[in-house]
Amino acid sequence: QLQLQESGPGLVKPSETLSLTCTVSGGSISSGSYYWGWIRQPPGKGLEWIGSISYSGRTNYNPSLKSRVTISVDTSKNQFSLKLSSVTAADTAVYSCARPTAGGTISRPFDVWGQGTMVTVS
Amino acid sequence: EIVMTQSPATLSVSPGERATLSCRASQSISSYLAWYQQKPGQAPRLLIYGASTRATGIPARFSGSGSGTDFTLTISSLQSEDFAVYYCQQYNSWPLFGGGTKVEIK
Repeated sequence: QLQLQESGPGLVKPSETLSLTCTVSGGSISSGSYYWGWIRQPPGKGLEWIGSISYSGRTNYNPSLKSRVTISVDTSKNQFSLKLSSVTAADTAVYSCARPTAGGTISRPFDVWGQGTMVTVS
Repeated sequence: EIVMTQSPATLSVSPGERATLSCRASQSISSYLAWYQQKPGQAPRLLIYGASTRATGIPARFSGSGSGTDFTLTISSLQSEDFAVYYCQQYNSWPLFGGGTKVEIK
């Protein structure tokens, strides 16, 4: 059974870079041509897609965050990572990694999610 | 840029009653629409994709309809475990979620 687990600091200072990793278990990040995604949810608010990456490193980012986001993949560790630079209090949120229902494109719904990790910018 | 609008923001329903949730896209997204259920402290759970196809393991009381710009999620007879927040997501282009509808006990 495929599982995703986020890890990283829960507290980041303003203007610094938020860094998170998603570890995939129960399957290979290189199979199925999936675009693995990062989604965030500020406290009490809705969901926002941050970006997605393929196993080969092809990325797509939310236009509103593109200037500050970098997503990378490490297939040897079965992990993909998120970096968000120049953070402010508005970046405080639960950050989740997720896998879409099928591969080949970012334009898919997500059917496997990590539990999410709360990151506070303060 | 597409905007996804969900209504109402909050829906008060008694157990056993029908709930009807709406999601509207600012431009046509064909049938590239998914619905999720989210309970407090949990990750979203995919309910419906392709506007009307139930995901694996989703009970038949959940149904989706619509195409183009107007979509509906119907829960035919609300069970206690169905009280949650529901989000729609378009995937005609990059993933974009609606603001959510909270289904609460009346």
